[in-house]
Amino acid sequence: QQQVKQSPQSLIVQKGGIPIINCAYENTAFDYFPWYQQFPGKGPALLIAIRPDVSEKKEGRFTISFNKSAKQFSLHIMDSQPGDSATYFCAASKGGNNRKLIWGLGTSLAVNP
Amino acid sequence: EPEVTQTPSHQVTQMGQEVILRCVPISNHLYFYWYRQILGQKVEFLVSFYNNEISEKSEIFDDQFSVERPDGSNFTLKIRSTKLEDSAMYFCATGEGRGNEQFFGPGTRLTVL
Repeated sequence: QQQVKQSPQSLIVQKGGIPIINCAYENTAFDYFPWYQQFPGKGPALLIAIRPDVSEKKEGRFTISFNKSAKQFSLHIMDSQPGDSATYFCAASKGGNNRKLIWGLGTSLAVNP
Repeated sequence: EPEVTQTPSHQVTQMGQEVILRCVPISNHLYFYWYRQILGQKVEFLVSFYNNEISEKSEIFDDQFSVERPDGSNFTLKIRSTKLEDSAMYFCATGEGRGNEQFFGPGTRLTVL
């Protein structure tokens, strides 16, 4: 119930393509769903996050789609660029202070020029 | 822009030795976390810390691990007697407490020989 399942494990797209990364969860108590971007040798950096009261959130070229009934959420990267090549992690946390993040396994994205 | 810093960037130690990993949180943040990431695997929660005490810890965080904020600024993770399986990237994260955002440091790569 604590798991967050992420797919695909790796993804290759051409520049300008729209990679989509999917995550699914089981615990309905989760109420915060962030996406993190990690470059090699660096710590994860918060990219965008959503709460279950909205179905979509957009920040720049990054969009989260959220389907509460299906317990799924996804990251879309519009007009992807080679600089977007990184590992992307979805995560989830539930109510209360000190909200530990439960992480997906990560998706390695390569955007070819 | 304020950021979380961690030292050392890489620590090599012999099995059975004690190590201390250090983190300097963002100055107005009140919530502190340690996570680890074994090479190629997902990020795992270790412990959260608020108001000078542990809020929550995972099953990984056994008696060999401890955390403290010795001088009101640094936040440390101590592993008393390292094992081979402790080899991982250790990330410190901090949060304001308002909202859920957690900001990660660049990590310390711990190698236990």
